[in-house]
Amino acid sequence: EVQLVESGGGLVQPGGSLRLSCAASGFTFSSYWMSWVRQAPGKGLEWVANIKQDGSEKYYVDSVKGRFTISRDNAKNSLYLQMNSLRAEDTAVYYCARDRGIFAPDYWGQGTLVTVSS
Amino acid sequence: DIQMTQSPSTLSASVGDRVTITCRASQSISSWLAWYQQKPGKAPKLLIYKASSLESGVPSRFSGSGSGTEFTLTISSLQPDDFATYYCQQYNRPWTFGQGTKVEIK
Repeated sequence: EVQLVESGGGLVQPGGSLRLSCAASGFTFSSYWMSWVRQAPGKGLEWVANIKQDGSEKYYVDSVKGRFTISRDNAKNSLYLQMNSLRAEDTAVYYCARDRGIFAPDYWGQGTLVTVSS
Repeated sequence: DIQMTQSPSTLSASVGDRVTITCRASQSISSWLAWYQQKPGKAPKLLIYKASSLESGVPSRFSGSGSGTEFTLTISSLQPDDFATYYCQQYNRPWTFGQGTKVEIK
């Protein structure tokens, strides 16, 4: 059974940092692009970043460029999102998602809540 | 980036109704369009991919159509479990999502 389990969310002050993790199981993690998607409270979905199977390509939404870094450890079947210089507008539930390419993202984790507030 | 516009934002319907949601892309995305259902506090669930392909395990009352810039999601006979918010997504990287359509009980 495919599972994606996020962790690392919490309350952080503006300007602070947080590292999210996504533990994958039930599939060959190293064969898939992976992505982070976020959802602010009561709002829609926003893609944040994605990473190629071997980590050689990474892409970000403009609003997080220079502040967030996506990475992965295929040996540990894990995806990460290092978030620095956090702002109030980064407050959201963060989901990791498996990218099936032409067949669309299929599995999503349950999400982890990040709250940026003083 | 490609902008996705969904309509309507909210839809009131009754059990048994036929429901249609529209999604428009700001430029052609061929058939790289997915539809998701999301319930409060839960992750999105994939319903349709490549505009019209039904994801495994999804009831056949859900169907998708369209290509290029105009797409629709149809629920042929609305069931109690279908009251939720629906999102379209174009998945030509970078991904973008529509703003969502909330289907509520009339």
